[in-house]
Amino acid sequence: DTGVSQDPRHKITKRGQNVTFRCDPISEHNRLYWYRQTLGQGPEFLTYFQNEAQLEKSRLLSDRFSAERPKGSFSTLEIQRTEQGDSAMYLCASSLAQGHTEAFFGQGTRLTVV
Amino acid sequence: GNSVTQMEGPVTLSEEAFLTINCTYTATGYPSLFWYVQYPGEGLQLLLKATKADDKGSNKGFEATYRKETTSFHLEKGSVQVSDSAVYFCALTGNQGGKLIFGQGTELSVKP
Repeated sequence: DTGVSQDPRHKITKRGQNVTFRCDPISEHNRLYWYRQTLGQGPEFLTYFQNEAQLEKSRLLSDRFSAERPKGSFSTLEIQRTEQGDSAMYLCASSLAQGHTEAFFGQGTRLTVV
Repeated sequence: GNSVTQMEGPVTLSEEAFLTINCTYTATGYPSLFWYVQYPGEGLQLLLKATKADDKGSNKGFEATYRKETTSFHLEKGSVQVSDSAVYFCALTGNQGGKLIFGQGTELSVKP
């Protein structure tokens, strides 16, 4: 297993366009998280799944953002009608469900909205 | 709600100097505490963790002790190396684990 992988690594899009990112977690991990990180800040929680169920969404997550994990494996994060303020690094992490186990992070997708 | 506050960076040290990065938290119940590190061009990786009061996490010469009485989890290393240059994030999870709440990060630069 090569760890958590995210695709694409970089995305430049025009304001108003839709974008979709993919995350492939570590195969035996049933929890999957999405975070957003802007320059000089720590990662900020967006949402997480346990298997295919989306268990929590941040209040910061506008209705332009949607995430899915249809078969409990990979996940997608879609941003509709992108705005310049959406420019950030989008991080995915996965972990086992039980206890306070380590979350493993992907290298992220850097989104630039022009 | 739960939150984490770290000392601001950047922190610049000479090789072999002593490092302390302060971290304090606000949380209900019994959180677990973590230090993550982000080396240039790489993803976040766990450095160490502590899951209950008075636990000490340690890894690669770094240590941090979970102090419930002062709600702190300060990161220390006795002798830093150039290769320790990175951004360090303090974080916590709540009682049941799950999402991480991060501090804003502290950039460390170690000069030879």
